[in-house]
Amino acid sequence: NAGVMQNPRHLVRRRGQEARLRCSPMKGHSHVYWYRQLPEEGLKFMVYLQKENIIDESGMPKERFSAEFPKEGPSILRIQQVVRGDSAAYFCASSPEGTASYEQYFGPGTRLTVT
Amino acid sequence: KQEVTQIPAALSVPEGENLVLNCSFTDSAIYNLQWFRQDPGKGLTSLLLIQSSQREQTSGRLNASLDKSSGRSTLYIAASQPGDSATYLCAVNTGFQKLVFGTGTRLLVSP
Repeated sequence: NAGVMQNPRHLVRRRGQEARLRCSPMKGHSHVYWYRQLPEEGLKFMVYLQKENIIDESGMPKERFSAEFPKEGPSILRIQQVVRGDSAAYFCASSPEGTASYEQYFGPGTRLTVT
Repeated sequence: KQEVTQIPAALSVPEGENLVLNCSFTDSAIYNLQWFRQDPGKGLTSLLLIQSSQREQTSGRLNASLDKSSGRSTLYIAASQPGDSATYLCAVNTGFQKLVFGTGTRLLVSP
């Protein structure tokens, strides 16, 4: 059973470009979470998605950031018009259900560098 | 608002020592608490999950305890090894599926 997969592992974008980060949850998991780890800071929750639904996006910046988890395919975190402050590690996690008793399993992360 | 603090921020010990990492949280209304390990430039590896109804969990040389009422958890590592060197993170789940993370303890175990 493969773990949570994220790609790309490293992504370099120039200021103003778009960044697309992909996350494939563990087999059998239908709940996905995105977290961001800024340099020298802890991980911060961004968004929680179920298939075709955004459950909680309270941690997402109001502009330029969006997330989706379509019926088919991976979850996508999209950052439009990237700025240097978006440089961070973005982690995806998944769980089989949305109840709090379930453990979240994390992927290896995508390290975004904005030049 | 839930806040999670980990002390110490960094710890350096010789191989073979037993050590304790501390995690405290401000709101005792949690569903569970997870301890993770993060190696430099890598993802998070889940070490232990303690449900709110549990007092402790053990896995190999690791033992985690939870005292919800006082807002504290400890991770005990027995007979530390150089391979244990990493950053250890604790995270609480407040029931809304947002894990709130501490800033971690950087552990270095020297041979």
